Amino acid sequence: YELTQPPSVSVAPGTTARITCGGDKIGTKSVHWYQQKPGQAPLLVIYYRDDRPSGIPDRFSGSNSGNTATLTINTVDAGDEADYYCQVWDSSNSHVVFGGGTKLTVL
Amino acid sequence: QITLKESGPTLVRPTETLTLTCSFSGFSLNSIGAAVAWIRQPPGKALEWLAFIYWDDDKRYSPSLRSRLAISKDTSKNQVVLKMNNMDPEDTGTYFCAHLAVSAYWFDFWGQGTLVTISS
Repeated sequence: YELTQPPSVSVAPGTTARITCGGDKIGTKSVHWYQQKPGQAPLLVIYYRDDRPSGIPDRFSGSNSGNTATLTINTVDAGDEADYYCQVWDSSNSHVVFGGGTKLTVL
Repeated sequence: QITLKESGPTLVRPTETLTLTCSFSGFSLNSIGAAVAWIRQPPGKALEWLAFIYWDDDKRYSPSLRSRLAISKDTSKNQVVLKMNNMDPEDTGTYFCAHLAVSAYWFDFWGQGTLVTISS
């Protein structure tokens, strides 16, 4: 099972960033999203369908339908600049799959 | 509070076996549903899941690396060990251990990672 993410997304501060994650019938799976800043471990920002861990602002949300899942970040600020990874559990093969990652640049 | 920390060699020779230890606190691998995973990241590249081990000693491995990996746990020490044999320069990267959310398939807590370089 493969997950496809755009290598980069660029947005202006205060606008909305949308990062996509494509996969075959991904809408039938739970998609999880991680933020990774340089030199740091990944941080879970969205899990299950659209749940946020404690401490993650509600500017972060997730949606998933058909063959595309989307991480949406509203009112983007410079602190959101990072790499973002989507992840699913491929139950048919019993393994974890990560997307290739998307670098979010805040202009 | 759950914390995890990786330890092991920073430099490994090609063809050797890498042994990494994940020491954790804040949960027990004796608890039903608990699991710990290993994930790696080559420099400048994407995350790659390697393996995880459940509280009941059930194990899952990346299909592409299955033949080279062995994961085990020592619940008395709160540690999980990953062994990877026949190391190659392409295995250079940061290796993370992470806690799987209970009875779920997302990683809610991560270690800081340890950089392993494969070179002669």
